[in-house]
Amino acid sequence: QLVLTQSPSASASLGASVKLTCTLSSGHSSYAIAWHQQQPEKGPRYLMKLNSDGSHSKGDGIPDRFSGSSSGAERYLTISSLQSEDEADYYCQTWGTGSWVFGGGTKLTVL
Amino acid sequence: EVQLVESGGGLVQPGGSLRLSCAASGFTFSSYWMSWVRQAPGKGLEWVANIKQDGSEKYYVDSVKGRFTISRDNAKNSLYLQMNSLRAEDTAVYYCARDSDYGDYWGQGTLVTVSS
Repeated sequence: QLVLTQSPSASASLGASVKLTCTLSSGHSSYAIAWHQQQPEKGPRYLMKLNSDGSHSKGDGIPDRFSGSSSGAERYLTISSLQSEDEADYYCQTWGTGSWVFGGGTKLTVL
Repeated sequence: EVQLVESGGGLVQPGGSLRLSCAASGFTFSSYWMSWVRQAPGKGLEWVANIKQDGSEKYYVDSVKGRFTISRDNAKNSLYLQMNSLRAEDTAVYYCARDSDYGDYWGQGTLVTVSS
């Protein structure tokens, strides 16, 4: 079964960097994922598509501070030079035959 | 500029029906799959349904099969979600998204509350 696992929360200081993790279930380590950001009281915003080889393509207007990388079944989102507006929920998402799967989301707190 | 604008949400009693709409602009609507995703209060994102460019293929999450119907009108650049036999657990903000295997554009959502 295709499942994405995320830590429920993360925190980092203003100006620092943070690396969020999304783990694909066993047997699905070759899958690409997408990262989405959801700021409080807003709809989701597409950040990037991230392939198993670490290559990624970002959405319109996504700053260079956001980057992605991969290792095995792990997919990472790194945010550098953290700003207050980066405080949000971050979801990973993948797709199977005709359906989408979301991770549970990581709530990022900027200290 | 790609825009997706949902409408049609509101308060409905258990067992009732509601039809959501999503007006698309800024891209060739007929060239893309489209999806509906929902988010219950305080919870994460849950994919609900999607539809192929010409409407010939549709997929649903198990919890809404037989109750919800996704459809589209390419002439009107619009996506729909007909929701019947609504339950309290269907209470959520419903988002439409352009489906490029992943949601690369999202609407702002419309709130559906199922309560007596």
